[in-house]
Amino acid sequence: KAGVTQTPRYLIKTRGQQVTLSCSPISGHRSVSWYQQTPGQGLQFLFEYFSETQRNKGNFPGRFSGRQFSNSRSEMNVSTLELGDSALYLCASSSGRGRLNEKLFFGSGTQLSVL
Amino acid sequence: QKEVEQDPGPLSVPEGAIVSLNCTYSNSAFQYFMWYRQYSRKGPELLMYTYSSGNKEDGRFTAQVDKSSKYISLFIRDSQPSDSATYLCAMDGAGGGADGLTFGKGTHLIIQP
Repeated sequence: KAGVTQTPRYLIKTRGQQVTLSCSPISGHRSVSWYQQTPGQGLQFLFEYFSETQRNKGNFPGRFSGRQFSNSRSEMNVSTLELGDSALYLCASSSGRGRLNEKLFFGSGTQLSVL
Repeated sequence: QKEVEQDPGPLSVPEGAIVSLNCTYSNSAFQYFMWYRQYSRKGPELLMYTYSSGNKEDGRFTAQVDKSSKYISLFIRDSQPSDSATYLCAMDGAGGGADGLTFGKGTHLIIQP
């Protein structure tokens, strides 16, 4: 069974640009969550999508947005990039049957560098 | 005060030693406790998943949860060089599942051959 696939693996952008990251969950999984990982803050929850609807959102500015498609694939968009957005962006999938007791399976992430 | 505290290390031990990794937390509403292993340039991999207090064993790994002390541990027996990685504790349930997982910042573990 294929795991969670994230593309691209690496991205370099400049301040002010926007970026779109992609995530394909494990087959059969309907929930996709996004996390930001930095050395200073660790892993922080961005948002979760289930059945094409944003189910929850973390404490990030509106420049961070996402969406989910009918095949459960998800994209995350960051507009007006700032230097502090440089991070590893991780996508995780789960079955989504319940809000709790969900085991998350992570992809390898997209390393975003903002210059 | 951070919700989840975890010593960043590095923790360096010889091959074959028993490793003890720990996290403390402040929110008593957490119900689900996880340990993830993350290799360099990879995403976190789920190692152990426990609910409420108690012990859980899986091969060389044992997870312990003490909710009264707000303290969780991961023990690795017969440690191998391939266990060298960053170990992240994670918790869930404080917001009814609405807030995503809350992670510690991870402990960098080095197993010396």
